[in-house]
Amino acid sequence: SQQGEEDPQALSIQEGENATMNCSYKTSINNLQWYRQNSGRGLVHLILIRSNEREKHSGRLRVTLDTSKKSSSLLITASRAADTASYFCATQGSGNTGKLIFGQGTTLQVKP
Amino acid sequence: SQTIHQWPATLVQPVGSPLSLECTVEGTSNPNLYWYRQAAGRGLQLLFYSVGIGQISSEVPQNLSASRPQDRQFILSSKKLLLSDSGFYLCAFTGNGNQPQHFGDGTRLSIL
Repeated sequence: SQQGEEDPQALSIQEGENATMNCSYKTSINNLQWYRQNSGRGLVHLILIRSNEREKHSGRLRVTLDTSKKSSSLLITASRAADTASYFCATQGSGNTGKLIFGQGTTLQVKP
Repeated sequence: SQTIHQWPATLVQPVGSPLSLECTVEGTSNPNLYWYRQAAGRGLQLLFYSVGIGQISSEVPQNLSASRPQDRQFILSSKKLLLSDSGFYLCAFTGNGNQPQHFGDGTRLSIL
């Protein structure tokens, strides 16, 4: 079953602008992860934020997590054409299976 | 370094034919292994996962099965493919249950 809902489903911006994607989930989590997928390829891990963290940065990426609202956001600053891809949030619960529940994703197009 | 290999990249099969997709991991021992299916424009659905040799957990009832004959080998199979088995199949692993997953490049399966 899909736990995450992502918003928006599609986003089109100009190079240099910021892109914000949101993710909501339903159950308690151990961590939340964001992945990127170029068309027809596998997923690449971007950033992991644990349930006791509220914000995390990695380069031009900023992720926030609000466990009271069961939501997360991914901000990509100063976007580039190469950032064009689909972005997915995924939640990981407790236990050692490492299972992820993915959202439906946001398709980002960055126009040069 | 840890790497994952998945093949073939594309596969066209007739309805009713058997299927075998293979995934191998290098650079780690006793990984957790996962098979996902992704419908066009959608998120990933977890099909199977394995936390050890011979240990397979199924997430959704379906026409597929999985096996783990060796520590770093994960196989997705079907005895008779259905049209509904078409999709993009992704294998992934993690060295530790609470770490990000690393994905293969996927297999595009088309059923005719």
